Amino acid sequence: EADIYQTPRYLVIGTGKKITLECSQTMGHDKMYWYQQDPGMELHLIHYSYGVNSTEKGDLSSESTVSRIRTEHFPLTLESARPSHTSQYLCASSGPGQNYGYTFGSGTRLTVV
Amino acid sequence: TQLLEQSPQFLSIQEGENLTVYCNSSSVFSSLQWYRQEPGEGPVLLVTVVTGGEVKKLKRLTFQFGDARKDSSLHITAAQPGDTGLYLCARNQGGKLIFGQGTELSVKP
Repeated sequence: EADIYQTPRYLVIGTGKKITLECSQTMGHDKMYWYQQDPGMELHLIHYSYGVNSTEKGDLSSESTVSRIRTEHFPLTLESARPSHTSQYLCASSGPGQNYGYTFGSGTRLTVV
Repeated sequence: TQLLEQSPQFLSIQEGENLTVYCNSSSVFSSLQWYRQEPGEGPVLLVTVVTGGEVKKLKRLTFQFGDARKDSSLHITAAQPGDTGLYLCARNQGGKLIFGQGTELSVKP
């Protein structure tokens, strides 16, 4: 049973549309993350949050934005989707401590046409 | 800059064979995690190694952390088709996980 949920699983959308990818976790974790991954490739951190009202940009520059109004919810928004945004987006959360493992959602596969 | 280098990048073997994948860095890290990712899913944590020289076993998987804490290896004994997936190592940097590029493993029946 998943403790972190991402919706939608798959999304095909036209260029210029605004989209929001949802991510929710039931573990009460303060730390949440968004990674971007192309098929079979490494994960790149694009956003992270250490708690409510705290958000930071990751190592990979992204045109997306995030918000953290509630502990359990960490949505990612693209104001104007472009074909270059086509990718898999993975949400994760972790507990306190440096060695705490990440729990990942199943991801959203986004295709912009 | 590639902080974590994994090798090989691709590995295709027959069921029953043994294999080892490697994760190397030019700098010391305090701990290392290994994840396995199946197609269309998020990575799942396999193990965290913390102490130099540490060896951890998870059924047919053996994880080793180098004495100098700059490298780690994952050894699979008698691989099965269910082991197929992308194996990722990751280190904590400034409170965030940085991943290697992964080893894509295919085990054919």
